[in-house]
Amino acid sequence: QVQLQESGPGLVKPSQTLSLTCTVSGGSISSADYYWSWIRQPPGKGLEWIGFFYHSGGSYYNPSLKSRLTISGDTSKNQFSLKLISVTAADTAMYYCARLIPGDFADKWFDPWGQGSLVTVSS
Amino acid sequence: DIQMTQSPSSLSASVGDRVTITCRASQSISTYLNWYQQKPGKAPKLVIYTSSTLQNGVPSRFTGSGSGTDFALTISSLQPEDFATYYCQQSYSFPLTFGGGTKVEIK
Repeated sequence: QVQLQESGPGLVKPSQTLSLTCTVSGGSISSADYYWSWIRQPPGKGLEWIGFFYHSGGSYYNPSLKSRLTISGDTSKNQFSLKLISVTAADTAMYYCARLIPGDFADKWFDPWGQGSLVTVSS
Repeated sequence: DIQMTQSPSSLSASVGDRVTITCRASQSISTYLNWYQQKPGKAPKLVIYTSSTLQNGVPSRFTGSGSGTDFALTISSLQPEDFATYYCQQSYSFPLTFGGGTKVEIK
């Protein structure tokens, strides 16, 4: 059974870089069958897809964050990471990692999700 | 981007009630629509994928329907553990987008 666990600082200063890591157990990020994603949720608000990393080392980002975002993987540790530069208070959110399962054609769904990591951007 | 609009944003219902939540896409997305359940302080959990396929382990009282732009999630007989916020998500095109959520509360 695949499990995901986020880790990283809970507090980041404005203009600095937000860095989070997702550790995957029970499955391999090297698998060609899945994509490894980040999703965030500001307090009291809805969900926003951030982007994903896939087995060949590539990544795909939400255009709204693309200029500030890097998602990468470390197959030796079975982890993937998110780096978001130049953060502001608007980046304060619960950050979730999740496995993105591709089905036929455009079919894609997130399962499972990590428990989440709350990141607050504040001086 | 494809906009996903859920209605209502919240509803109050009693145990045993039949509840329907709707999700409308800003353009046709075929059946590329998924539903998630989120309880307070917890991560979302997949309930339905590809519009109507029940995720393993999810009770059969949950059903999904729809295609094109209009979709629905129905809970046939609401149970205490079903009180949560439900989100729809489209995968027809990038960026993947979610609806704003529907909070199902106890009446």
